[in-house]
Amino acid sequence: AQSVTQLDSQVPVFEEAPVELRCNYSSSVSVYLFWYVQYPNQGLQLLLKYLSGSTLVKGINGFEAEFNKSQTSFHLRKPSVHISDTAEYFCAVSGAGGYNKLIFGAGTRLAVHP
Amino acid sequence: EAQVTQNPRYLITVTGKKLTVTCSQNMNHEYMSWYRQDPGLGLRQIYYSMNVEVTDKGDVPEGYKVSRKEKRNFPLILESPSPNQTSLYFCATAFEVNTGELFFGEGSRLTVL
Repeated sequence: AQSVTQLDSQVPVFEEAPVELRCNYSSSVSVYLFWYVQYPNQGLQLLLKYLSGSTLVKGINGFEAEFNKSQTSFHLRKPSVHISDTAEYFCAVSGAGGYNKLIFGAGTRLAVHP
Repeated sequence: EAQVTQNPRYLITVTGKKLTVTCSQNMNHEYMSWYRQDPGLGLRQIYYSMNVEVTDKGDVPEGYKVSRKEKRNFPLILESPSPNQTSLYFCATAFEVNTGELFFGEGSRLTVL
């Protein structure tokens, strides 16, 4: 079975400060990892994904994430946030070998203050 | 424009009154899925479909039904809604679910009184 734990339910931060949203996963098979963002009153959209290769993955809107297999983590980072980054962020995992589903974490609400 | 369209976006209903939430996609994806989103629980999968006439249970299927008679449509049916089904529902589609991108509708907020 697979699971995802997002370690912070809420992260407040000031504009132009760096931010890290933490995600840990557990799985008995090789994993594919994703970060999705949900802006208010909208559906989710893909920020970035890790399938294989380089462990540092760059996504849209200046976000990046690093896959760490030994620590089973996939933390999301941005060096300087904007007010418009205020949203809920979801880490998700799927498995190799035809698992056919995406397991989501509980979400982290990022609040960027001026 | 690639779209996943859900209707209705908002609905208030009463216990026991059957309702259907429709989902339609124009991306010719074979995979479609329904999720519910509840505070502190993230998104949990209700049902999914790998292709026409192929559906399977997700993690929280109790109280829901689905059908997939056409590739573009995947309606979610609540035969006898109960208050614990008050939630935000999302339909999602993908070309390839394990490694690809899920495309989400804008959500349907359902309140069961």
